[in-house]
Amino acid sequence: AQRVTQPEKLLSVFKGAPVELKCNYSYSGSPELFWYVQYSRQRLQLLLRHISRESIKGFTADLNKGETSFHLKKPFAQEEDSAMYYCALSEQDLPEKLTFGTGTRLTIIP
Amino acid sequence: EPEVTQTPSHQVTQMGQEVILRCVPISNHLYFYWYRQILGQKVEFLVSFYNNEISEKSEIFDDQFSVERPDGSNFTLKIRSTKLEDSAMYFCASTTGREQFFGPGTRLTVL
Repeated sequence: AQRVTQPEKLLSVFKGAPVELKCNYSYSGSPELFWYVQYSRQRLQLLLRHISRESIKGFTADLNKGETSFHLKKPFAQEEDSAMYYCALSEQDLPEKLTFGTGTRLTIIP
Repeated sequence: EPEVTQTPSHQVTQMGQEVILRCVPISNHLYFYWYRQILGQKVEFLVSFYNNEISEKSEIFDDQFSVERPDGSNFTLKIRSTKLEDSAMYFCASTTGREQFFGPGTRLTVL
């Protein structure tokens, strides 16, 4: 069974400090990993996916198949990064369901 | 930019009543999903729908649940006889096969 684990429910970081939100997964197939973000009173939206290897809003995430991890990183936190972040996975190359982690609430302290 | 819409934003119902949650996916999308999030818990997959039929459903999606695409635009989730534990945020999503786009959600409260 596929599973996504986000060990931190809450994370507070000072503005300008580096951010790392942890995500580990277990999946027997070829997973595609995503980070979704939900800002206050807004809908879930895709932040980035491992296949595109983009940097969005300064965030990056590298898929480490050996450690089965997909941690989200940003070198310098900004106040507008405060939000709920969800790691998710699906089967690669197919429009399959998403399996979500429990989410991490990131708060940036001014 | 096109968006997934959901109505109502909040639905309050009595236990045992039927509810229908409505979603309008993005118009050229082919795959549709329902997810739910009980307060304080993770977002959970309920059902996926493609080519006018269910393509996958979770254990949560029992006989009390059904989905329909009654016309070319709406995608509905029906709960036949609501239980207290059905209280949750219900999200609709749609995709062409790449990124899933989510609606704003319907908060269902069962009293």
